[in-house]
Amino acid sequence: GENVEQHPSTLSVQEGDSAVIKCTYSDSASNYFPWYKQELGKGPQLIIDIRSNVGEKKDQRIAVTLNKTAKHFSLHITETQPEDSAVYFCAASGGAGGTSYGKLTFGQGTILTVHP
Amino acid sequence: NAGVMQNPRHLVRRRGQEARLRCSPMKGHSHVYWYRQLPEEGLKFMVYLQKENIIDESGMPKERFSAEFPKEGPSILRIQQVVRGDSAAYFCASSPVSGYHEQYFGPGTRLTVT
Repeated sequence: GENVEQHPSTLSVQEGDSAVIKCTYSDSASNYFPWYKQELGKGPQLIIDIRSNVGEKKDQRIAVTLNKTAKHFSLHITETQPEDSAVYFCAASGGAGGTSYGKLTFGQGTILTVHP
Repeated sequence: NAGVMQNPRHLVRRRGQEARLRCSPMKGHSHVYWYRQLPEEGLKFMVYLQKENIIDESGMPKERFSAEFPKEGPSILRIQQVVRGDSAAYFCASSPVSGYHEQYFGPGTRLTVT
């Protein structure tokens, strides 16, 4: 089955700096890659996603890049703010089709802390 | 448009009791997924359901766990004879269609087994 590795596990930045979180996946058939933000005591919130026919996607201060050949994708947050502090999860979906269609395999998470 | 609803938000059960977790998907969504998050860990897929059908239960423990999504009413994740290792946050997500589409998560049910 699919395996997703996420790095780093913790990331500390100063307000205004950029933050980059990287993920690699194992199943070359995966086609959908969402990113979630989880605040303490809450459910994961979808913040951006990318599909395999696209190499990069941007939404204001957040961008995601995908390299299908190398099987890795990254989340970029620019001009970080204290309210960006949370746990971020990457995920992959698609796989070999059949019953795995739609099932998300998550990375281990990155605790992002933005210092004012 | 209300988001995914889960209840209860917190559930305490003694070892050996049953736990029932409920999930109401977003309006218009007919696909439900359950995930479990153990302390300090990421989310693990458990089961994927459509109305009256279990599509993929490859992440469900073989015993004590079951899930349903009836024609009417919420999806239910049922854990029989709970053990301390079942203590976790259980999240439900819904999507309008299957496959490579956005999944929206509920606030979760935090189960504590004493």
